[in-house]
Amino acid sequence: EVQLVESGGGLVQPGRSLRLSCAASGFTFDDYAMHWVRQAPGKGLEWVSGISWNSGSIGYADSVKGRFTISRDNAKNSLYLQMNSLRAEDTALYYCAKEGVAVAGFDPWGQGTLVTVSS
Amino acid sequence: VIWMTQSPSLLSASTGDRVIISCRMSQGISSYLAWYQQKPGKAPELLIYAASTLQSGVPSRFSGSGSGTDFTLTISCLQSEDFATYYCQQYYSFPYTFGQGTKLEIK
Repeated sequence: EVQLVESGGGLVQPGRSLRLSCAASGFTFDDYAMHWVRQAPGKGLEWVSGISWNSGSIGYADSVKGRFTISRDNAKNSLYLQMNSLRAEDTALYYCAKEGVAVAGFDPWGQGTLVTVSS
Repeated sequence: VIWMTQSPSLLSASTGDRVIISCRMSQGISSYLAWYQQKPGKAPELLIYAASTLQSGVPSRFSGSGSGTDFTLTISCLQSEDFATYYCQQYYSFPYTFGQGTKLEIK
C-alpha cells in the first residue's frame, strides 16, 4: 500500500524556520516526482512546490519562492520542505503528494501536517 | 503563471441530478488537467487526470472533458457521497495551479 506520512509541523513565530518531512512507503520512491500542497484553514488548495525524481527539475509558487526549499533523499524515501522567514499567511495544513506516472495528477496524498505561524 | 477560473464556486443539487463544473485556463495546457474531490477533514483524492482519464476505482458517473483552455467535470446521477468540494488543477507547467474550488451541496 502506498503511504505518505508528513511530520514536522507545529507552532512557530513569524520570521522563524521550520522543516517538514514526508516519509514514503509502498512504492519505488525514486521513480516519481513529489509535491507539497497547502490548504489554509477554510480555504482552497495551493500548490507550493514540486521536485522531479532526480531533483533535476524544481518549481515553487511565487508566494514561497526565495523562502522555501524543497529537497528529497531517495536513499531514505523522504521528501522535505525547508521553510524560512515564515509569515502568518503560511499558516496551513501542508500535504505531501506523489505525482502519477507520466505526469498524471497527484495520487495519493498524505494526511497533512499543520503549520501555524503566530506570535 | 497560468490562471484558472473554476465555476461555479457553489452548486446546489439533489441526489440523482447531473451536474457540470467548469474550469477555464488563461492559456492552453493541452490535456494536462486533473480533477480532485475533497471531503471535510480529509485529503483530496484524484478523480480524473489527463482531462478525461478516470482514476482507478472512481465510479463511472464521473467524467471529464476538454482540452486547451476549457474543461468540464460532469457527475451524472449524483449520489449522497458525492457532496463534497471539487478542484481542478493544471500540471502543464510550473507553477502548477489549482482552481478556487466548487462546493457541491445538497439542495
